[in-house]
Amino acid sequence: EPEVTQTPSHQVTQMGQEVILRCVPISNHLYFYWYRQILGQKVEFLVSFYNNEISEKSEIFDDQFSVERPDGSNFTLKIRSTKLEDSAMYFCASKGFSGNTIYFGEGSWLTVV
Amino acid sequence: RKEVEQDPGPFNVPEGATVAFNCTYSNSASQSFFWYRQDCRKEPKLLMSVYSSGNEDGRFTAQLNRASQYISLLIRDSKLSDSATYLCVVNTQTGGSYIPTFGRGTSLIVHP
Repeated sequence: EPEVTQTPSHQVTQMGQEVILRCVPISNHLYFYWYRQILGQKVEFLVSFYNNEISEKSEIFDDQFSVERPDGSNFTLKIRSTKLEDSAMYFCASKGFSGNTIYFGEGSWLTVV
Repeated sequence: RKEVEQDPGPFNVPEGATVAFNCTYSNSASQSFFWYRQDCRKEPKLLMSVYSSGNEDGRFTAQLNRASQYISLLIRDSKLSDSATYLCVVNTQTGGSYIPTFGRGTSLIVHP
């Protein structure tokens, strides 16, 4: 069964450092998402990406965040200068052109110290 | 602000019990609806879609009431392995954007 894969599974970084989280969506999918979940809290939408551009972003997705699909397979989330409150599980997800279901990767657990 | 609301629980039930979860959503333009299951520190996994006519998958039954903007999930004959957080997800499409919005989740604990 095709799946969304994410790397790294866990990263510890110092405050102020840049972090790149990588995702390989399901190969024929066209819609891509990043969500985050702070421990014990709800899954929060960050950004959606379609047709090589951001289609929607939340208020969480400020100038510190950026996304890129550099090579047609990877979908990356960059946090430019991490803060303690960026510590969370970051989930990548993708959706096909038809159908309404989104599929999640296993997540990247980011700890900022 | 458009929201998806769920009772966080926890619902603590014995094996074999029937348990029901509810979810309300505020955006009447929402178009599709799902229940996801999330185990501790794992990714959300699709449990089932929710159709207007109601749908069943084994021990799980989902219902949608568009007029009341209300979704439900019924679990019959609960198993220990059903212990998890159940997430209500509402999708709304506006223009080219298709944004799934998650409820906070309802925690279920099934005990022997």
